[in-house]
Amino acid sequence: SQTIHQWPATLVQPVGSPLSLECTVEGTSNPNLYWYRQAAGRGLQLLFYSVGIGQISSEVPQNLSASRPQDRQFILSSKKLLLSDSGFYLCAWSVGSSTGELFFGEGSRLTVL
Amino acid sequence: AQSVAQPEDQVNVAEGNPLTVKCTYSVSGNPYLFWYVQYPNRGLQFLLKYITGDNLVKGSYGFEAEFNKSQTSFHLKKPSALVSDSALYFCAVRDGPGGYNKLIFGAGTRLAVHP
Repeated sequence: SQTIHQWPATLVQPVGSPLSLECTVEGTSNPNLYWYRQAAGRGLQLLFYSVGIGQISSEVPQNLSASRPQDRQFILSSKKLLLSDSGFYLCAWSVGSSTGELFFGEGSRLTVL
Repeated sequence: AQSVAQPEDQVNVAEGNPLTVKCTYSVSGNPYLFWYVQYPNRGLQFLLKYITGDNLVKGSYGFEAEFNKSQTSFHLKKPSALVSDSALYFCAVRDGPGGYNKLIFGAGTRLAVHP
């Protein structure tokens, strides 16, 4: 069966510091991968998605970037964090040619102080 | 552009009573519709989806949802609520096939089931 892992689960970082959140998927090949951000425990905003290694699409302009160095690895990064980057970050995957449900990781809570 | 609305921030239900969580959508083509549930500090769990076919879709944990094309709605229902159903519920939409499975989520509805 497929599983998705995200780490770290919790992160507290000072303003201006770098960020790296990692997500890996097991048990499937060539998944679509997604990063969502959830602010204040409510709505989800799609940040990035990837349909293959090295292929990244950004949905909103922001202080963050994403990379996909391996088929089942998706990384969310920032060179200098802002206070507004605080939130709950969720990685998700789907089968590329499927009817589209996403499967989510357990999330990474980022607090920028 | 596709969008989804959940008009209620919170729904309060007594245990054992039926529950409904509302969702309306807007897409240019045929919608693919989804419901997810989120418990505190956890990821989202998939409950059910509508792609085509029967308008009444059954999902996990006794939940079901009814697709209504004329009202562009996809309300989540359960005949008898449990206290353990208390959580945050998200409706999501995708505009038909293609589009890399990008889902657009509603703002969420908090369900509180009281003993």
